[in-house]
Amino acid sequence: DTAVSQTPKYLVTQMGNDKSIKCEQNLGHDTMYWYKQDSKKFLKIMFSYNNKELIINETVPNRFSPKSPDKAHLNLHINSLELGDSAVYFCASSQAGTGGYGYTFGSGTRLTVV
Amino acid sequence: GENVEQHPSTLSVQEGDSAVIKCTYSDSASNYFPWYKQELGKRPQLIIDIRSNVGEKKDQRIAVTLNKTAKHFSLHITETQPEDSAVYFCAAATNDYKLSFGAGTTVTVRA
Repeated sequence: DTAVSQTPKYLVTQMGNDKSIKCEQNLGHDTMYWYKQDSKKFLKIMFSYNNKELIINETVPNRFSPKSPDKAHLNLHINSLELGDSAVYFCASSQAGTGGYGYTFGSGTRLTVV
Repeated sequence: GENVEQHPSTLSVQEGDSAVIKCTYSDSASNYFPWYKQELGKRPQLIIDIRSNVGEKKDQRIAVTLNKTAKHFSLHITETQPEDSAVYFCAAATNDYKLSFGAGTTVTVRA
């Protein structure tokens, strides 16, 4: 299946831990993104990468570190997790940025910090 | 940066009636305006989009209109059905690598 796949789907962890979320797309897209959806459903961009290069870092705390080993993968590592990090994290990809092309979203990772 | 405002935040309609969601954007350089539908517990999915050189686009029961001068765009759903119940997001592209989303509209279609 052609898709954007994220793992894990659910993540429950204690404050202070470090965790990673992985994302892979097989759509041949050049650009990948991480978005955070809070409890009020608001979708906020965190990072965008184009062909492995960081393009946007939307004032995200440096506890969040994205990594793109190749243009089909964009992982997100979070250090020293805090209660406020609880949210659904969506990976997405698009062809050649957003210029006229919609995103394809992954299924999301529901992160719960206790 | 781009600021996208979306109204209403909730919308309840009788099955068969129409639903309209309105969005405004702040950056006159925005040139791409997609709409996403997110069902409960699922991912947002693109349902329709419009570019700044087009004023209106229709796809079966859904249509989008764009007024560049006023910097607003709208989603119209006709003959609503229970499966249209979801959260709908508008968005605007400020540059090639960032979509700014509205806060979402929860649409409930009453049978």
